[in-house]
Amino acid sequence: DAGVIQSPRHEVTEMGQEVTLRCKPISGHNSLFWYRQTMMRGLELLIYFNNNVPIDDSGMPEDRFSAKMPNASFSTLKIQPSEPRDSAVYFCASSTSLGQSGPTSGNTIYFGEGSWLTVV
Amino acid sequence: SQKIEQNSEALNIQEGKTATLTCNYTNYSPAYLQWYRQDPGRGPVFLLLIRENEKEKRKERLKVTFDTTLKQSLFHITASQPADSATYRCALEQAGNMLTFGGGTRLMVKP
Repeated sequence: DAGVIQSPRHEVTEMGQEVTLRCKPISGHNSLFWYRQTMMRGLELLIYFNNNVPIDDSGMPEDRFSAKMPNASFSTLKIQPSEPRDSAVYFCASSTSLGQSGPTSGNTIYFGEGSWLTVV
Repeated sequence: SQKIEQNSEALNIQEGKTATLTCNYTNYSPAYLQWYRQDPGRGPVFLLLIRENEKEKRKERLKVTFDTTLKQSLFHITASQPADSATYRCALEQAGNMLTFGGGTRLMVKP
């Protein structure tokens, strides 16, 4: 299995531009997570999908951030307009979910290699 | 408020010794606790999971303990090697909630 695939790996963009990060989860996984990692705040969960449906987006910082999962094999995280404080590593992760007791329910989360975003 | 605390200072040990990393938490009742390893420029990688009714879990040179009374997990690497140098994060899952990660502890194993 190729694991969770993210693109782009690195992106440098100017403030105000739109940024789209992409993720392909592991085949057969029905839970997908977007995390953001910074030195100051560590690894934060932004949004979680189960069976392509957004379940909890309480971690999304503000309206400039949006995420979609149009099918089981693809998700995007969009920032519009981007700001320098959005500079971070954005990780996508996937897992199988047993549903009732929680989105991970004791199952392993598999992370992608991350998208390194720099907004200047 | 809920907190997951890992020692933010790097842990430096000599090759061959046992490394012990600590994860303390407050105002959580985790059903599961997981440990992940993260290398620079890479995503976290799962190592071990321990359930609330388990005291200890082992995998090769790794051992995790879970004390729900002390609200603490210890992560041990025996016979440590320079290749074990990385950041190690604990992550808690309460029933019905997502995984929340600690800030991680950086381990440096010197030859």
